[in-house]
Amino acid sequence: GAGVSQSPSNKVTEKGKDVELRCDPISGHTALYWYRQSLGQGLEFLIYFQGNSAPDKSGLPSDRFSAERTGGSVSTLTIQRTQQEDSAVYLCASSLGGRTSGEQYFGPGTRLTVT
Amino acid sequence: DQQVKQNSPSLSVQEGRISILNCDYTNSMFDYFLWYKKYPAEGPTFLISISSIKDKNEDGRFTVFLNKSAKHLSLHIVPSQPGDSAVYFCAANAGGTSYGKLTFGQGTILTVHP
Repeated sequence: GAGVSQSPSNKVTEKGKDVELRCDPISGHTALYWYRQSLGQGLEFLIYFQGNSAPDKSGLPSDRFSAERTGGSVSTLTIQRTQQEDSAVYLCASSLGGRTSGEQYFGPGTRLTVT
Repeated sequence: DQQVKQNSPSLSVQEGRISILNCDYTNSMFDYFLWYKKYPAEGPTFLISISSIKDKNEDGRFTVFLNKSAKHLSLHIVPSQPGDSAVYFCAANAGGTSYGKLTFGQGTILTVHP
């Protein structure tokens, strides 16, 4: 079956503009995650959705970042008033949920460049 | 505060030999550990995991060792193949209120020479 897909694959935006990044998880996966990877760094957790529970937003770096998941499937990560430090690869992952299913399946990422 | 550290940015190995990638962690609440492999322009792919109730888990050429007292884990690849050349990330999960959140190391670039 299809894996996790993300769009766009690349996004260049001017500082101060808003951007929306989209994630389509694997069908049937109840858990969805957003991470970002800045240059030379590891993956940094941003937000986690599990079923109908309130999302874990503890990794969002500022109130300019928000995410929603509609219908328990597609998710959108929104960054308002982008700054140059927001430049990174934004990765989405999904999993079946459940503790031992720590195996998260990642999409190819969206490379965001803020000029 | 870097809770998961991979202190070797890169590792170069000859084909057929063993590759050993290391990872240290500081958070004693971590009880589930994973290794991911990442090729350029692709998302990370899951390799192997281990629960803290074990000290070893093996899957084909890949073995992960966990030393809880030292807060150290390692990934052994035997024999190494050129196709194993990639960035390897270790990750950890604490469960509880951190359920679902993985904390990643910075990655180690493995190069396997033919």
